[in-house]
Amino acid sequence: KAGVTQTPRYLIKTRGQQVTLSCSPISGHRSVSWYQQTPGQGLQFLFEYFSETQRNKGNFPGRFSGRQFSNSRSEMNVSTLELGDSALYLCASSLFGGPNYGYTFGSGTRLTVV
Amino acid sequence: DAKTTQPTSMDCAEGRAANLPCNHSTISGNEYVYWYRQIHSQGPQYIIHGLKNNETNEMASLIITEDRKSSTLILPHATLRDTAVYYCIVRVPFSGAGSYQLTFGKGTKLSVIP
Repeated sequence: KAGVTQTPRYLIKTRGQQVTLSCSPISGHRSVSWYQQTPGQGLQFLFEYFSETQRNKGNFPGRFSGRQFSNSRSEMNVSTLELGDSALYLCASSLFGGPNYGYTFGSGTRLTVV
Repeated sequence: DAKTTQPTSMDCAEGRAANLPCNHSTISGNEYVYWYRQIHSQGPQYIIHGLKNNETNEMASLIITEDRKSSTLILPHATLRDTAVYYCIVRVPFSGAGSYQLTFGKGTKLSVIP
């Protein structure tokens, strides 16, 4: 079956711009989570969506937001980009009530802010 | 989630068993041990999980000590493709009602050497 699909794979933006990243979960998976990975901070949890509702949020400023659609696809948005937002953004999906091994991750979107 | 301690890096000869240790001395009775790995610039990949019994799947074996304060992930015949960062995570099992957040530490960078 198809895995978690993230688009685009690479993105270059200018400081002050905004960006939207997309994630399509595995078919049937209703939980979608987002993570940011940087060399300095490692993997950090951004937020999790389930049935179009944000269920959990990490310690990130309000410039980071997301949403989930009725087909479970999710988008995350970062406004007023800063140089420090350069990172690999990972999306993961999970089957609600399913096997307890947790997540399947996508390959990520590499965002570079210049 | 209980705190885990892993060595920063390890080397393993190709074809030999790779034994990756993890200490989790504050683990609670209902917390599982999960292992993920991340190959360079890809999303983390689930490997295996366990509660107290030793577990084996097609990728690896997980040995958990009787007091559950430490565990070892074993890759029986390491290949160059097993070179990755390996994360040991301790948390309550995923369920429909709980948070699906994963807290990643620094992990162990395993280098498989030809």
